[in-house]
Amino acid sequence: SQQGEEDPQALSIQEGENATMNCSYKTSINNLQWYRQNSGRGLVHLILIRSNEREKHSGRLRVTLDTSKKSSSLLITASRAADTASYFCASDSGSARQLTFGSGTQLTVLP
Amino acid sequence: DAGVIQSPRHEVTEMGQEVTLRCKPISGHNSLFWYRQTMMRGLELLIYFNNNVPIDDSGMPEDRFSAKMPNASFSTLKIQPSEPRDSAVYFCASRGTSGGDNEQFFGPGTRLTVL
Repeated sequence: SQQGEEDPQALSIQEGENATMNCSYKTSINNLQWYRQNSGRGLVHLILIRSNEREKHSGRLRVTLDTSKKSSSLLITASRAADTASYFCASDSGSARQLTFGSGTQLTVLP
Repeated sequence: DAGVIQSPRHEVTEMGQEVTLRCKPISGHNSLFWYRQTMMRGLELLIYFNNNVPIDDSGMPEDRFSAKMPNASFSTLKIQPSEPRDSAVYFCASRGTSGGDNEQFFGPGTRLTVL
């Protein structure tokens, strides 16, 4: 079963707006990662935030992590139509270093 | 680098037939993962290899599923006999050993349809 839960399940915004997706997880983590999946493609790693970090930036992406609430958020600023995809969080926990993926958020950016 | 390579990209077969999915990880990566993705269950980890050795196969749904990694550059996932409920997209991912991070690199997937 999926450990991570994401909300919203689907998000539709206009080009230029910001998109925020949230993720919750259940166990303590080594790090939390975000991946993107375009329709019919494999997942692509976007950004990783370690358990001792609270915020991280990469280009138009901003990730926050609150380990006390076991939650993370992904913000995409100034969205573009090409950002349309599914976004998944993945928690890295335990000594086995496996990833447990959330259920994903389907983002649609309208031109 | 060609990335993770999977074959075939699409497979349509009839119930009861044997299906073999193939994966070539990124050269130098020592961990390999097989996932299954469906609308109902999302992305599920089936099995995970480290240095060609299966570490955790608790996600393999039934004895009909088996996976091998005979060497560092090749892995197979076999379903025999296949059933319609096995229809899904199967992804292979690999991971290197650099540092303490844990980024996985995914292949394009194999879309399996069992009729």
